[in-house]
Amino acid sequence: EAQVTQNPRYLITVTGKKLTVTCSQNMNHEYMSWYRQDPGLGLRQIYYSMNVEVTDKGDVPEGYKVSRKEKRNFPLILESPSPNQTSLYFCASSLGTGIGDTQYFGPGTRLTVL
Amino acid sequence: GDSVTQMEGPVTLSEEAFLTINCTYTATGYPSLFWYVQYPGEGLQLLLKATKADDKGSNKGFEATYRKETTSFHLEKGSVQVSDSAVYFCAQGGKLIFGQGTELSVKP
Repeated sequence: EAQVTQNPRYLITVTGKKLTVTCSQNMNHEYMSWYRQDPGLGLRQIYYSMNVEVTDKGDVPEGYKVSRKEKRNFPLILESPSPNQTSLYFCASSLGTGIGDTQYFGPGTRLTVL
Repeated sequence: GDSVTQMEGPVTLSEEAFLTINCTYTATGYPSLFWYVQYPGEGLQLLLKATKADDKGSNKGFEATYRKETTSFHLEKGSVQVSDSAVYFCAQGGKLIFGQGTELSVKP
């Protein structure tokens, strides 16, 4: 089954404790992206990757890192989480960003930073 | 910069009522337009899309028409069901710029 998977689905942590949220897709997609969803703000892009070893900042990259060592994986790293990073996070992938290319989303990771 | 604006929610309707959720966009050029739906506790699913002016996207009884003149992509459904209760997001472009989402609640 074609899908985007994320782990963990739920995470409660404390300020400053490094964490990684994994994302994997099995559709051989070139493009992958991370978003955070906050009430009243919709989804905002954190980072994206056009291909292996190519990553770039989205609209809200501060406090986050990513890597793209393999085509299928795109982990999101919070080196020193803070309470304002409490949010619902989504990973997505697509063939590209051309006309009509559709992004497929993972199930989400709900992160709470105390 | 490019942006998407949706009507504010929550929207509460009775079953079988007509639904419209307004969406307008600002963009340089003519982006693809999308409606995504998020059911409670789930991720986003593509509901429908349109890639050029006057295109109509449709799925599960929902429709939206790409209107270049009014820079709009309003979502409509003729008769909503309780199972349509969800948050609906309008979005544009390949890298996806989202509106703020509109929560729909349908009562029996």
